[in-house]
Amino acid sequence: GENVEQHPSTLSVQEGDSAVIKCTYSDSASNYFPWYKQELGKGPQLIIDIRSNVGEKKDQRIAVTLNKTAKHFSLHITETQPEDSAVYFCAASTRQAGTALIFGKGTTLSVSS
Amino acid sequence: ETGVTQTPRHLVMGMTNKKSLKCEQHLGHNAMYWYKQSAKKPLELMFVYSLEERVENNSVPSRFSPECPNSSHLFLHLHTLQPEDSALYLCASSQGTVTGELFFGEGSRLTVL
Repeated sequence: GENVEQHPSTLSVQEGDSAVIKCTYSDSASNYFPWYKQELGKGPQLIIDIRSNVGEKKDQRIAVTLNKTAKHFSLHITETQPEDSAVYFCAASTRQAGTALIFGKGTTLSVSS
Repeated sequence: ETGVTQTPRHLVMGMTNKKSLKCEQHLGHNAMYWYKQSAKKPLELMFVYSLEERVENNSVPSRFSPECPNSSHLFLHLHTLQPEDSALYLCASSQGTVTGELFFGEGSRLTVL
């Protein structure tokens, strides 16, 4: 079955710096890769996703890149702000279905001002 | 506010108690999920209901019993739990099980003494 590895487990940056979180997956049939953000005391919330027919997707300060050959995808946050501090989860799925989403262990991002 | 409400937010119970977690979604979705979130572990899918019928059960111990009386409500009945069951239990919903986005509630923090 699918296995998703996420690195790093913790990441500390200064406000304004960029942050990069990387994930690798094992199942070459996976074709959907969402990223969720979980703030303290809240449930995870989808922030961006990418499908296997796309190499990169941007939404304002966040972007996700996908390398199908290497089976890895990354989340890039530019111009970080204190409100970006949260736990970020990557996931992979062989279909666009919640039932098949396999999550990584999460990255705790801390942005200091 | 994600449109998914969970109660109670915190629950402490003994190993011999019986309690229930409740989830309600106001999004008109027809699929609902229970996830378990433990420290330093990936989100674990426990149960999936689509159109009020259970479609997936990821080998969860029988001391966890789900109930989905309608497409807006989901319960997780708990009995004879173990201390290792202490975790954050997250409810989520989606528009069908073939969709990209899960909408999570804020979770019920369970402590088993």
